[in-house]
Amino acid sequence: GNSVTQMEGPVTLSEEAFLTINCTYTATGYPSLFWYVQYPGEGLQLLLKATKADDKGSNKGFEATYRKETTSFHLEKGSVQVSDSAVYFCDGQNFVFGPGTRLSVLP
Amino acid sequence: EAGVAQSPRYKIIEKRQSVAFWCNPISGHATLYWYQQILGQGPKLLIQFQNNGVVDDSQLPKDRFSAERLKGVDSTLKIQPAKLEDSAVYLCASSPARGGNYGYTFGSGTRLTVV
Repeated sequence: GNSVTQMEGPVTLSEEAFLTINCTYTATGYPSLFWYVQYPGEGLQLLLKATKADDKGSNKGFEATYRKETTSFHLEKGSVQVSDSAVYFCDGQNFVFGPGTRLSVLP
Repeated sequence: EAGVAQSPRYKIIEKRQSVAFWCNPISGHATLYWYQQILGQGPKLLIQFQNNGVVDDSQLPKDRFSAERLKGVDSTLKIQPAKLEDSAVYLCASSPARGGNYGYTFGSGTRLTVV
């Protein structure tokens, strides 16, 4: 079945720093891939998605490209803000979420 | 479009008591999921419904947990009797269909504390 492996945190950055959170997948085909974000005290929110190889998902300044050759879907943002502090989850539609990556952005 | 509604938002009960959570998914979403999220962990799938039928309940502790979605719309999750280790956030999510490209829409969750 499908599975994803996501870098574990916590990740602490200063405001305006560049962010990368790694996610790699294992699948027999090419599943749709998703990034979710969970702010404190809330449920998960869909941040972005890509449904096929070479697709780029983007939202709120975040981007991730579905790379078939490296089986990766890394989350990136060029300049993080304090308000981006949250837990980020990579998902490969197999109903299994890892612990996520906790991001803390310091002013 | 209205989001996934869950209630109550918070619940504190004593161990061995019973508790029920309610979820109303996005209108028209056929698939409904209940997840348990223990502090510091990712969500763990408890049960998945397709319309009013159970698709997967392999991780539901059936000796104490039950769930239903009688009319294929809203759903309730019950715990009876509760244990201390059931303290967690219970998240409901919905999706237009199983699999595919849709992703999930989550509710804000019910935070359960068992004392």
